[in-house]
Amino acid sequence: AQSVTQPDIHITVSEGASLELRCNYSYGATPYLFWYVQSPGQGLQLLLKYFSGDTLVQGIKGFEAEFKRSQSSFNLRKPSVHWSDAAEYFCAVGDTTYGGATNKLIFGTGTLLAVQP
Amino acid sequence: DTAVSQTPKYLVTQMGNDKSIKCEQNLGHDTMYWYKQDSKKFLKIMFSYNNKELIINETVPNRFSPKSPDKAHLNLHINSLELGDSAVYFCASSQEARGGEQYFGPGTRLTVT
Repeated sequence: AQSVTQPDIHITVSEGASLELRCNYSYGATPYLFWYVQSPGQGLQLLLKYFSGDTLVQGIKGFEAEFKRSQSSFNLRKPSVHWSDAAEYFCAVGDTTYGGATNKLIFGTGTLLAVQP
Repeated sequence: DTAVSQTPKYLVTQMGNDKSIKCEQNLGHDTMYWYKQDSKKFLKIMFSYNNKELIINETVPNRFSPKSPDKAHLNLHINSLELGDSAVYFCASSQEARGGEQYFGPGTRLTVT
């Protein structure tokens, strides 16, 4: 069955430091991969997505992610973290087993990012 | 302009009651979804509609009944509410069913007492 694993439940980084959030997926075909961010009390905002092509994708707010098929990974990175990046981050894979009529997202359990001043 | 909106934002009710959550999207998307986020922040799909047709029903109790009056709206009605229904419910929509990114509403926090 399709699944997404985010090994880190909670990460703390200092403001200005680099960030990498890990995501591993299990999916039989070429995956559609997403990263979403959820600020406290808010909905989910799409940071970036990977469908095909270039394995390094750029997103909003200075985030990027790299798709590595050999490692079944789609890690999220940011070179310099800002205090406003503190939030919950979710990795997701799109499951298209419904014949293309629709697409459900299978989410990881999330990584809570805290930013120290 | 709010792309995906939900009402109400907060809903507090007692066990056994019936309640509805409304969702509207102004993005012109054909596909809409309901997700449930539990107390541990885990997100799981409940339903998906494509052009008002139910496509996904992810083993949700039949106390939950989605209704899509048109492509822009997907409402969720819940009968005989239970304590375990307490969660945040998110509506989402996507333009392309296959692989399309989904845009989420702000969520409805349901508390059943």
